[in-house]
Amino acid sequence: EPEVTQTPSHQVTQMGQEVILRCVPISNHLYFYWYRQILGQKVEFLVSFYNNEISEKSEIFDDQFSVERPDGSNFTLKIRSTKLEDSAMYFCARGTSGSSRPYEQYFGPGTRLTVT
Amino acid sequence: GIQVEQSPPDLILQEGANSTLRCNFSDSVNNLQWFHQNPWGQLINLFYIPSGTKQNGRLSATTVATERYSLLYISSSQTTDSGVYFCAVEYTNAGKSTFGDGTTLTVKP
Repeated sequence: EPEVTQTPSHQVTQMGQEVILRCVPISNHLYFYWYRQILGQKVEFLVSFYNNEISEKSEIFDDQFSVERPDGSNFTLKIRSTKLEDSAMYFCARGTSGSSRPYEQYFGPGTRLTVT
Repeated sequence: GIQVEQSPPDLILQEGANSTLRCNFSDSVNNLQWFHQNPWGQLINLFYIPSGTKQNGRLSATTVATERYSLLYISSSQTTDSGVYFCAVEYTNAGKSTFGDGTTLTVKP
């Protein structure tokens, strides 16, 4: 099955600004996830989203972050009042449809966020 | 939360050599995946393997869930195998995957 596409591929923003990262599924999936990877470090879970609701979030995913699926298609991650330490690669992942392989995840190419 | 440890942290091989990467986890899991992060940063899904053994070309993986470890075997390595290999486990029934620190593989021609 195909993965997801993400836009933009690279986003540069000034500290304090809001950014919206987008994830576009190829087909109609119900499970979505956001992860981030600070340069040279491991991949960290942010949030899981199932059937248009958050099912779990990490301690990183505080009030600065929000997710939504506004038009039933695109899945967005909003970061308010960005900080230098938000600079990272942000990956969207989608889960497989069907129950035979629960929580198998396929990752998009990522959005590199640079906060200056 | 669950701990995921990968070893070795770094591995340098000559092209054509074989290697074994290990992933230990501290609790029972619902799912375990192996990923390859290529030099462009893409995370490529290698195996979905919560238990048992699977093979895909030169790569194979084994997970022994009762002993909480998984192994990734790479045979006849090629320079294109270079990159970081991550193990990720899911244990919350909500899709939260916890990644290990990765093994950085360098294959020299």
